[in-house]
Amino acid sequence: DVKVTQSSRYLVKRTGEKVFLECVQDMDHENMFWYRQDPGLGLRLIYFSYDVKMKEKGDIPEGYSVSREKKERFSLILESASTNQTSMYLCASSLHPAGTNTGELFFGEGSRLTVL
Amino acid sequence: AQTVTQSQPEMSVQEAETVTLSCTYDTSESDYYLFWYKQPPSRQMILVIRQEAYKQQNATENRFSVNFQKAAKSFSLKISDSQLGDAAMYFCAYRSALFGEKLTFGTGTRLTIIP
Repeated sequence: DVKVTQSSRYLVKRTGEKVFLECVQDMDHENMFWYRQDPGLGLRLIYFSYDVKMKEKGDIPEGYSVSREKKERFSLILESASTNQTSMYLCASSLHPAGTNTGELFFGEGSRLTVL
Repeated sequence: AQTVTQSQPEMSVQEAETVTLSCTYDTSESDYYLFWYKQPPSRQMILVIRQEAYKQQNATENRFSVNFQKAAKSFSLKISDSQLGDAAMYFCAYRSALFGEKLTFGTGTRLTIIP
């Protein structure tokens, strides 16, 4: 089974702190994603990466950056955390769609970040 | 840009009964994929069922089935013989077959199972 592991389930940070959220997948997936989940808003894509050192902005990239130095690891960085970044962050991975593969996402358990 | 709409923020159903969750989407593309994901409380999001737009036959997975109406851009999820373990947030998602590999999600429906 695919395993996507997020380093922290719960984090509490202060406004202005730099925050790192780490995600590792063990199935050699090309694609990795960071989504943000908020009540009533569903999941919104922050950034995704389709290869090492490659990244593309999603729908809400402002205030975030990402790093993918190795295929299995995708990090989300909040350079200066703000209270409006308090949220659940979900990491996901997928194979490049081809043949019968429909590009479904495999998710981690999520990281709940609170910024005070 | 594609959008996915789930108009039912909350639903409830008696155990052993059948419930249908609604999803509509907006796209100008003809080839795409649709998904239903389940997120149990404090647990990982998992795939429930998927549908390829080019297939006319509705997908089924055990007690879960979809009603895919391509012309109406509707993709509802039917859960038969509801069980307590079905209680979760359910998200509908869309992926273009041609452009990009990201999924666009709806806002979710919280399903409660009444014993």
